Amino acid sequence: DAKTTQPNSMESNEEEPVHLPCNHSTISGTDYIHWYRQLPSQGPEYVIHGLTSNVNNRMASLAIAEDRKSSTLILHRATLRDAAVYYCIRLPLGGTASKLTFGTGTRLQVTL
Amino acid sequence: GAGVSQSPSNKVTEKGKDVELRCDPISGHTALYWYRQSLGQGLEFLIYFQGNSAPDKSGLPSDRFSAERTGGSVSTLTIQRTQQEDSAVYLCASSLVGHGPYEQYFGPGTRLTVT
Repeated sequence: DAKTTQPNSMESNEEEPVHLPCNHSTISGTDYIHWYRQLPSQGPEYVIHGLTSNVNNRMASLAIAEDRKSSTLILHRATLRDAAVYYCIRLPLGGTASKLTFGTGTRLQVTL
Repeated sequence: GAGVSQSPSNKVTEKGKDVELRCDPISGHTALYWYRQSLGQGLEFLIYFQGNSAPDKSGLPSDRFSAERTGGSVSTLTIQRTQQEDSAVYLCASSLVGHGPYEQYFGPGTRLTVT
């Protein structure tokens, strides 16, 4: 799926902020940007989503570029538990089922 | 509250046998999805249920695969005459509704191994 592009892997030290980029240069005006993550041997887990404005929740922040062609998932203080594969996905606003299709994602490694 | 549950967590079966995988979605969620994930691969959509509407079966890889959802709640994915290429983790997810920006909540998955 070439709809989003992410780096294959990133590393972070524990307690430091992590910025995970995603490129979605062909995004349409009605596509939401969703982020999921998958910890080892677990099912995927929803992280955050947004449309145009930056979003914050208890897990992370999502910064969306003004032209919406890219976004950044921000983990404010990485912990060992945040080591996972992070997936950036475009989903349509409505009218069709939100079938998730994960690409390779970004494998985040967190070290002490 | 309770999340999405799936059973069994692991299933080993011989080639040619039929298997049934079960999913209990979050109460009140009208949308239910089945996906599978092969080792080291991304997520593959299989089938989608939304309320009482006809299911979207566009992702089922062959007619050996079928699924039903009884009473708008529990769902069963059935694989007939299993093949080795069916070995994967089968994931179930539910969401409040199926379309739009609603997050999907995943179960822990069923790891199917066909020998």
